[in-house]
Amino acid sequence: GAGVSQTPSNKVTEKGKYVELRCDPISGHTALYWYRQSLGQGPEFLIYFQGTGAADDSGLPNDRFFAVRPEGSVSTLKIQRTERGDSAVYLCASSLVVGNEQFFGPGTRLTVL
Amino acid sequence: GESVGLHLPTLSVQEGDNSIINCAYSNSASDYFIWYKQESGKGPQFIIDIRSNMDKRQGQRVTVLLNKTVKHLSLQIAATQPGDSAVYFCAGNTGANSKLTFGKGITLSVRP
Repeated sequence: GAGVSQTPSNKVTEKGKYVELRCDPISGHTALYWYRQSLGQGPEFLIYFQGTGAADDSGLPNDRFFAVRPEGSVSTLKIQRTERGDSAVYLCASSLVVGNEQFFGPGTRLTVL
Repeated sequence: GESVGLHLPTLSVQEGDNSIINCAYSNSASDYFIWYKQESGKGPQFIIDIRSNMDKRQGQRVTVLLNKTVKHLSLQIAATQPGDSAVYFCAGNTGANSKLTFGKGITLSVRP
């Protein structure tokens, strides 16, 4: 079956611009997670959803970052006023229920010039 | 908070040899650990997991060992193959907390 998909695969933007990153979880998975991975580092947790609600957003670095999952399936990570330090690979994962194995997508590589 | 880290940044092994990748964690309350494999341009792929009430778990060609006394985790890969070349991460979480804390990653390179 289809795994987690993320679009776009690559995004290049200019400092100060707004970007949206999309995640399509595995069908039927109720939990969805966002992580950020900088070069040479392990992924760092940003936020996770249980259904439509954000259960834990403690990893979001500041209020420029926001994520939604309005129908409990697709999620969008939104970054306002992008900064060069936001450049990273943004990974999405989903699990059948919270606490189960997390399946990762291929990530979106964001480059802020 | 949780801190999970790997001892060495790179590991080079001969094809057919066994590989051992080590990881240390700081939070003694962590009760679930996972090893992930990440190939270039791809997301992390689950390899094997272990809960804190176990000290060993075996999969196909892989074994994870957990030593809670010294807060150490290891991944053993038997008969390493070229397809095992990748970056390996250990990750952990605590109780109902579903967010994973990852270590920095170690690159496994398999020599033919």
